[in-house]
Amino acid sequence: EAQVTQNPRYLITVTGKKLTVTCSQNMNHEYMSWYRQDPGLGLRQIYYSMNVEVTDKGDVPEGYKVSRKEKRNFPLILESPSPNQTSLYFCAAGSGGLGSGNTIYFGEGSWLTVV
Amino acid sequence: AQSVAQPEDQVNVAEGNPLTVKCTYSVSGNPYLFWYVQYPNRGLQFLLKYITGDNLVKGSYGFEAEFNKSQTSFHLKKPSALVSDSALYFCAVRDQGTTSGTYKYIFGTGTRLKVLA
Repeated sequence: EAQVTQNPRYLITVTGKKLTVTCSQNMNHEYMSWYRQDPGLGLRQIYYSMNVEVTDKGDVPEGYKVSRKEKRNFPLILESPSPNQTSLYFCAAGSGGLGSGNTIYFGEGSWLTVV
Repeated sequence: AQSVAQPEDQVNVAEGNPLTVKCTYSVSGNPYLFWYVQYPNRGLQFLLKYITGDNLVKGSYGFEAEFNKSQTSFHLKKPSALVSDSALYFCAVRDQGTTSGTYKYIFGTGTRLKVLA
């Protein structure tokens, strides 16, 4: 079964304390991406990766880092979290290059609260 | 610039009635269009997509969507709504990509569908 797994699902942390949200996929997909979901703003892309060692900024990358050392993993790193990063985060993965309209699949989401 | 618009924050429909959730897009080249559904406390689930071919696309749970190139729309429809269809629906577009091989998915802000018993 195609799966995108995120951890932790729920986290309350304090301002400035570094944290990492892990994302793993079992589909051998090249494409992976992080989104944040905020009321009234829908899904906004943070970073995406077309393949191992290839990452690009999305629309709201400030305050976040990512790495893609292996195909299956795409962790999201908040070096110094701030309250405006309180949000629901989704990792997604999909296959195929240009010319394909392959679907992307989402994890269950990670609720992050920064106090 | 690419964009997706879902003009309605919420759509209410009575159970058994047909439903439409609207989506319009702006993208250079031919678009790849998607609909996703999000149930409470869950991730987004894929419903259907348009890549090419027939303008009417059928998807999961009895949903379908009609691609209209002249109106740049991709409205989601269902002939007879169920209470269990109540959820948040997202339209998304993927561009054709760049010469360097990168592409992006752009999501709308979502439409909350409420089906009333």
